[in-house]
Amino acid sequence: DIVMTQSPDSLAVSLGERATINCKSSQSILYSSTNKNYLAWYQKKPGQPPKLLVYWASTRESGVPDRFSGSGSGTEFTLTISSLQAEDVAVYYCQQYFTTPQTFGPGTKVEIK
Amino acid sequence: QVQLVESGGGLVKPGGSLRLSCAASGFTFRDYYMSWIRQAPGKGLEWISFIGTSTSIIYYADSVKGRFTISRDNGNNSLYLQMNSLTAEDTAVYYCARDKRYSAYWGQGTLVTVSS
Repeated sequence: DIVMTQSPDSLAVSLGERATINCKSSQSILYSSTNKNYLAWYQKKPGQPPKLLVYWASTRESGVPDRFSGSGSGTEFTLTISSLQAEDVAVYYCQQYFTTPQTFGPGTKVEIK
Repeated sequence: QVQLVESGGGLVKPGGSLRLSCAASGFTFRDYYMSWIRQAPGKGLEWISFIGTSTSIIYYADSVKGRFTISRDNGNNSLYLQMNSLTAEDTAVYYCARDKRYSAYWGQGTLVTVSS
């Protein structure tokens, strides 16, 4: 199975400041024939289902604010919240879908400083 | 709009069984893979099973293989998860989701608690 790791475990950011979450996969999740990275990012708030933010590592889901952006390739990926808003307090998960089983990272908790 | 509504969760004793259902609407159910994902209290997300558009493609995580059975009824736009031999480690919120890669569509989840 592909193991996903995330850093940091948690971070506190001031309103309006940038939040950066890192995700690493234990093997490359870049499919050479499509040149696509099989990685998604989700936002999870208590009592709610996960919300898809980004797929193919950098494609923002429809309706997701443009302050959320994904980047990276191969084994290292980043989710950036360019200007943190109060409603962004949540746990963020990366997930690979390159191979079965799809696997999630352990999550990064984002709070307001 | 796409709607997924889970039901069937509850309190069950260790070794017991439970059947979860997921009612789908707002899309052509038979055209999509469907998945079950769970989140144990205070833990992360775990993709435990998916089923193809027919029943010829089915996947189970090792943690549930041999105990859980996924199925679907395309005529009734419904997804199911039969859970047998439940243990405390199966306590979680269970979500159904559309697709098997990543999913923009999730139900609200149903809580399964395994406890004596």
